[in-house]
Amino acid sequence: QKEVEQNSGPLSVPEGAIASLNCTYSDRGSQSFFWYRQYSGKSPELIMSIYSNGDKEDGRFTAQLNKASQYVSLLIRDSQPSDSATYLCAVNGGDYKLSFGAGTTVTVRA
Amino acid sequence: GAGVSQSPRYKVAKRGQDVALRCDPISGHVSLFWYQQALGQGPEFLTYFQNEAQLDKSGLPSDRFFAERPEGSVSTLKIQRTQQEDSAVYLCASSYGTGSYEQYFGPGTRLTVT
Repeated sequence: QKEVEQNSGPLSVPEGAIASLNCTYSDRGSQSFFWYRQYSGKSPELIMSIYSNGDKEDGRFTAQLNKASQYVSLLIRDSQPSDSATYLCAVNGGDYKLSFGAGTTVTVRA
Repeated sequence: GAGVSQSPRYKVAKRGQDVALRCDPISGHVSLFWYQQALGQGPEFLTYFQNEAQLDKSGLPSDRFFAERPEGSVSTLKIQRTQQEDSAVYLCASSYGTGSYEQYFGPGTRLTVT
């Protein structure tokens, strides 16, 4: 069983809408959680990190963590065409290495 | 400040050749990681350095893969006798501390083995 699972996608949203991305993980001892954005042909770029249950907001991005449900999500508000990318969920199991999901591709329609 | 840099950005190798991929982490970052990313997949962990010590090499696919960070800064990932299945993007990431700190990625090296 894969350790980190994401929506298979692709996810298509109209400009200005909210994009909602989901991620579940299997290691209950996981302690830190990250969202990376990866444009086609580029490397992953860190956009959000979250360490405790609840919501964390940064600009148009909100990360939500529920450790009891082993679930982390990312909301992108007021989606822009520049948000079109693959979003990778990454989980740190308490040591140092990151386990990544396969990513969800988001397309924002103008 | 400068981010993580990697070279070369692209490498084409004939099957059986040896290659060396370089990573220059963010200045002052203690931790350095190598990941491998296949097309359409998330990065997969290869190896981890804390300063010059290689603390984990559990993700290296075979004994043809070797990594070093002799002075605790620049790291080199070497692949001997390359095979077609080695074709992938090799990503280097660095982190300020040890443990659950945020990791920042370099641009990657795209390796194609023909």
